[in-house]
Amino acid sequence: EAGVTQFPSHSVIEKGQTVTLRCDPISGHDNLYWYRRVMGKEIKFLLHFVKESKQDESGMPNNRFLAERTGGTYSTLKVQPAELEDSGVYFCASSPLATKEQFFGPGTRLTVL
Amino acid sequence: GQNIDQPTEMTATEGAIVQINCTYQTSGFNGLFWYQQHAGEAPTFLSYNVLDGLEEKGRFSSFLSRSKGYSYLLLKELQMKDSASYLCAVRDLGYIPTFGRGTSLIVHP
Repeated sequence: EAGVTQFPSHSVIEKGQTVTLRCDPISGHDNLYWYRRVMGKEIKFLLHFVKESKQDESGMPNNRFLAERTGGTYSTLKVQPAELEDSGVYFCASSPLATKEQFFGPGTRLTVL
Repeated sequence: GQNIDQPTEMTATEGAIVQINCTYQTSGFNGLFWYQQHAGEAPTFLSYNVLDGLEEKGRFSSFLSRSKGYSYLLLKELQMKDSASYLCAVRDLGYIPTFGRGTSLIVHP
């Protein structure tokens, strides 16, 4: 069974540009989560989808971040316009409903210059 | 809010036993997780404790004391491949875990 996949693995952009990160969860997993780890800090929650609905977006830093999960399958996280402090590793995780374990993807390393 | 504390780095010898501690302060408690993360890879689930006591799974065990806000991950018969970052994460009354900064474990021959 394929795990959670994320694309791209690395992205280097300039301040002010737009970047879109993609996450493909494990097939059949209704829960999808986005997290971010800024260098030297802990992994922090960004938002949670249940199917196509945003269940909790309390961790989104500001309105430059937009997450979507059309059709309840893959999800995208768009940063527009990117700022220097957005650099970090963005993780996606998925899980079936009513389970405690989350399955993480390998992350996208975003560098904003 | 939540506060999770774990050592930044630990070193141990191949074949030995190591204990990685995690202390936490939360407004509520709904489970504690341990994850292993090798450099550049996804965090992988190791254990989940919601009741006090020891959960054993092969070479890895995890302990929880809710009254003390304390957990540890015990790794036995250390192997070189156990060199990784170990993340402690706690859920409050919700379902979203809050992560500690991780403990980088270095296993040497």
